[in-house]
Amino acid sequence: QSALTQPASVSGSPGQSITISCTGTSSDVGGYNYVSWYQQHPGKAPKLMIYDVSKRPSGVSNRFSGSKSGNTASLTISGLQAEDEADYYCSSYTSSSTFGVVFGGGTKLTVL
Amino acid sequence: QVQLQESGPGLVKPSETLSLTCAVSGYSISSGYYWGWIRQPPGKGLEWIGSIYHSGSTYYNPSLKSRVTISVDTSKNQFSLKLSSVTAADTAVYYCARQEGYYYGSGSYFYWFDPWGQGTLVTVSS
Repeated sequence: QSALTQPASVSGSPGQSITISCTGTSSDVGGYNYVSWYQQHPGKAPKLMIYDVSKRPSGVSNRFSGSKSGNTASLTISGLQAEDEADYYCSSYTSSSTFGVVFGGGTKLTVL
Repeated sequence: QVQLQESGPGLVKPSETLSLTCAVSGYSISSGYYWGWIRQPPGKGLEWIGSIYHSGSTYYNPSLKSRVTISVDTSKNQFSLKLSSVTAADTAVYYCARQEGYYYGSGSYFYWFDPWGQGTLVTVSS
């Protein structure tokens, strides 16, 4: 199972919007609507931010949104805030090799 | 609310077996869901190790399958990870998490992990 591809880093100023991409294949991102996104602050456990491509868990700000086109999923954060600075990971169900889960390599978001 | 807590040795010698337990509170494991293990080497990304359905069906990352065993103890409301023949490459923070998914008999769809435990650092060194 190969990792999903994410940009290593993105940055934006407070108030701006940024988008993080997550590219896979037809065996994972493109084939199923089981993409999730996690936020991880330094030294902390990951936190679920988006599931099923575009759904937000209760308590997650509506500034976070998700989408998918073909084999690429995207996480958009609007109205950037300093507290959004963190690492972000995408994940997907995969049917390659066997049933399983694959993560992206992670993207470091810097709020300038 | 549901809480998970990892426990186990923080230091394991090369070639030995890493053993961790995840205690679950606020929810009965036997009631449903999948229960998973994920690890993160220092400064690196997340890697799925494997998951277990509440009934006992297991699913492993193909890259680790030959060395991994995940089991569940419903009487103690906990599940466990064993990783054999460890090397320095297995040094990581190990997380347990509840996993949403769909079991259809011959296989499973896996959806998302929530919540996560706080994680425990395991170092492989002599």
